[in-house]
Amino acid sequence: QSALTQPASVSGSPGQSITISCTGTSSDVGGYNYVTWYQQHPGKAPKLMIYDVTNRPSGVSNRFSGSKSGNTASLTISGLQAEDEADYYCSSYTSSTAWVFGGGTRLTVL
Amino acid sequence: EVQLVESGGDLVEPGGSLRLSCAASGFTFSNAWMHWVRQAPGKGLEWVGRIKSKTNGGTIDYAAPVKGRLTISRDDSKNTLFLQMNSLKTEDTAVYYCTTDKVNSGTYYNAFDLWGQGTMVTVSS
Repeated sequence: QSALTQPASVSGSPGQSITISCTGTSSDVGGYNYVTWYQQHPGKAPKLMIYDVTNRPSGVSNRFSGSKSGNTASLTISGLQAEDEADYYCSSYTSSTAWVFGGGTRLTVL
Repeated sequence: EVQLVESGGDLVEPGGSLRLSCAASGFTFSNAWMHWVRQAPGKGLEWVGRIKSKTNGGTIDYAAPVKGRLTISRDDSKNTLFLQMNSLKTEDTAVYYCTTDKVNSGTYYNAFDLWGQGTMVTVSS
């Protein structure tokens, strides 16, 4: 199972919006509404930010939103804040009864 | 407090074995579907495997790179998840996290919800 494709890095200024893409195949992202997004700060465990493509767990800011079109999912962060600077990973359930992650995107808040 | 605490990470030679533990507290462990996810130094996340609850059949699924070498098990009486690692390779070097599958009212969401702090496994001669 190949990893999902994410940009290596994105950046934005405080208050701006950014979008991180996550491209898979019809066997994972395109085939299931089980796309999730995780935030990971250096030296910390990942944190669930989005599940089922668009849903936010309790306690996650509504500045984070998810979407999907075909084999590509996206995470949008609006009103960028300094604390959003982190690595972001997408993941999807797959037809092989397995889970696959993206390679990760480093978000820099300028 | 709801938490997961991993232990057992160590330096081991190629071909060696190691058993990791993940102690759960603050929630009904027996109902939880549990995953192991690993992260090699400076690299991304990689799913290792999942074990369902016994009431859901206790089914275990593994990622292809670890199948036949890594074994997931659970002891619900001790609220503990295990990862038995045999025939270790240098590419198994990583921080190993245990994590729960998000659940609500009996519905599992294929999302990694609660995470431990991770335990480091280094495979090197």
